[in-house]
Amino acid sequence: GAGVSQSPSNKVTEKGKDVELRCDPISGHTALYWYRQRLGQGLEFLIYFQGNSAPDKSGLPSDRFSAERTGESVSTLTIQRTQQEDSAVYLCASRPPGTGANVLTFGAGSRLTVL
Amino acid sequence: QKEVEQDPGPLSVPEGAIVSLNCTYSNSAFQYFMWYRQYSRKGPELLMYTYSSGNKEDGRFTAQVDKSSKYISLFIRDSQPSDSATYLCAMSESGYALNFGKGTSLLVTP
Repeated sequence: GAGVSQSPSNKVTEKGKDVELRCDPISGHTALYWYRQRLGQGLEFLIYFQGNSAPDKSGLPSDRFSAERTGESVSTLTIQRTQQEDSAVYLCASRPPGTGANVLTFGAGSRLTVL
Repeated sequence: QKEVEQDPGPLSVPEGAIVSLNCTYSNSAFQYFMWYRQYSRKGPELLMYTYSSGNKEDGRFTAQVDKSSKYISLFIRDSQPSDSATYLCAMSESGYALNFGKGTSLLVTP
């Protein structure tokens, strides 16, 4: 596609429910990142994929968070047993092979609200 | 202390003013420096990229990096209402993982 696509754009859920957030990167982009942006805060790194493997998942805040990527394209971020502090915008970004972080393209984000 | 510090503002200036946005950092290993612009309800978009120290100019935008002081700046000349957005600084050691500031909210009034 023309850009990084994320869905849903907005998600309201009840505390304790599981949620899945989806990212469709730009076609051919082998590197994919997930970031979290809480209100009034900067972007927090969550996980980085190179192809289908995740060499850096150091930013995942707890074992309730997991992410996978299949076919070197779509990635899913799953949050189990959601808590109110999980409320944030979850941003996905991708970049072409052989490039650095200076060419990241971000999606518009998935805004998660946990009641 | 966070690795990247950025004043969240808000910063309000009249149209045509010169805007100065700044970040400080603590990790001397950072060597890639970026500025992103983020409009409301949109993802960040890359505005300026600098490797190591020095200045870079692109139209009305100038990015400066002073590694000795661990200080980076973004200047916007002849600011326009369309420049109203949140500006995020970001930096990296490796070039693949970014550390972001909190962002500065800028409002340019007509």
